[in-house]
Amino acid sequence: TQLLEQSPQFLSIQEGENLTVYCNSSSVFSSLQWYRQEPGEGPVLLVTVVTGGEVKKLKRLTFQFGDARKDSSLHITAAQPGDTGLYLCAGARPGNTPLVFGKGTRLSVIA
Amino acid sequence: GAVVSQHPSRVICKSGTSVKIECRSLDFQATTMFWYRQFPKQSLMLMATSNEGSKATYEQGVEKDKFLINHASLTLSTLTVTSAHPEDSSFYICSAMKGQRSYGYTFGSGTRLTVV
Repeated sequence: TQLLEQSPQFLSIQEGENLTVYCNSSSVFSSLQWYRQEPGEGPVLLVTVVTGGEVKKLKRLTFQFGDARKDSSLHITAAQPGDTGLYLCAGARPGNTPLVFGKGTRLSVIA
Repeated sequence: GAVVSQHPSRVICKSGTSVKIECRSLDFQATTMFWYRQFPKQSLMLMATSNEGSKATYEQGVEKDKFLINHASLTLSTLTVTSAHPEDSSFYICSAMKGQRSYGYTFGSGTRLTVV
């Protein structure tokens, strides 16, 4: 059972376009994290959202945590080829428990 | 910051041999570390949770005798792939948890294992 449904799994867009990646669950998480991973490397943390309804911005990236802390979205404005990569959402629960990962979104931005 | 060092980054071994992968938290103590496996173009799959000074907790379907995990200190966890076979070839990633905050996870840079 995939506890975190991430969509879309694949996305190929032109440079300059906007896009949104969604992460949905029926479970409540203490926090939700977004990672970006390059081939052959470990995931790199982009942002952590903790409070329901929270919105965080990182340059052209906007992250939102749902009011009920069950879902999150990542919106990229004016995508650039450098945004190409695998984006992963991961939910955290209280205590020393592992993150629950979505299946990832493989983004390709074409110049 | 929290830095996790994973070594080696790449390893090629012959079928039937064993390979040890190290995961170190460099500037913090990690009571809990996690080991993941990642197949090409897929997300991370949790293999086991490693707690310092106790036996690791393995996920369903992961052979504990094949993937030996040792977490003998607060800064080091090791994953040993025993009697490796080509199907064990994969990208292995460790993660360390700093404290008990729900957002204190840091990942290593991964190990690409190729069994020939």
